[in-house]
Amino acid sequence: DVKVTQSSRYLVKRTGEKVFLECVQDMDHENMFWYRQDPGLGLRLIYFSYDVKMKEKGDIPEGYSVSREKKERFSLILESASTNQTSMYLCATIGGLSTDTQYFGPGTRLTVL
Amino acid sequence: AQSVAQPEDQVNVAEGNPLTVKCTYSVSGNPYLFWYVQYPNRGLQFLLKYITGDNLVKGSYGFEAEFNKSQTSFHLKKPSALVSDSALYFCAVRDIWNSGNTPLVFGKGTRLSVIA
Repeated sequence: DVKVTQSSRYLVKRTGEKVFLECVQDMDHENMFWYRQDPGLGLRLIYFSYDVKMKEKGDIPEGYSVSREKKERFSLILESASTNQTSMYLCATIGGLSTDTQYFGPGTRLTVL
Repeated sequence: AQSVAQPEDQVNVAEGNPLTVKCTYSVSGNPYLFWYVQYPNRGLQFLLKYITGDNLVKGSYGFEAEFNKSQTSFHLKKPSALVSDSALYFCAVRDIWNSGNTPLVFGKGTRLSVIA
């Protein structure tokens, strides 16, 4: 089974702090994605990556950046956290033999005070 | 552009009754269609998918979905609901002409509540 882990389940940060959300997958998948989930808005794509050191903007990249230095790890960075970035953040992967199904991590619920 | 609509924010059903969660989609070509379920404070779990072949797709936990090309729908169904089915359900789509690498486009979700 594909395993996707996220570094924290719950995180509380203060406005202006730099925040790192880490996602690690153990299946050698090429493609990784970061979404945020908000009530009534569903899942919105922030950034995705096809390969190491490659990244593409999704639908709502403003205020975020990403890093993919190793194939198994995809980091989401909030350069200066703001209260409107309080949300559930979900990481997902695609790759290997199943090139159509996205597999998700457990999510990180971030609160910015 | 691809899009998914889940017309109901909330669906309530009595335990033991059949349930349906609705989904319609829009793609320029042929679709890959997916259903995911999310339990409280958890990530999304894959339930089932339609790629090609039989229009009735069976998935995990007794769920099934029917692909209807003429109505551009992919409704999720279960013959007999359980209280444990209560969760948030997401429909998602990808255009078949896009590579498998591209992200899915998700609907806004439907909260299913099964009442004992």
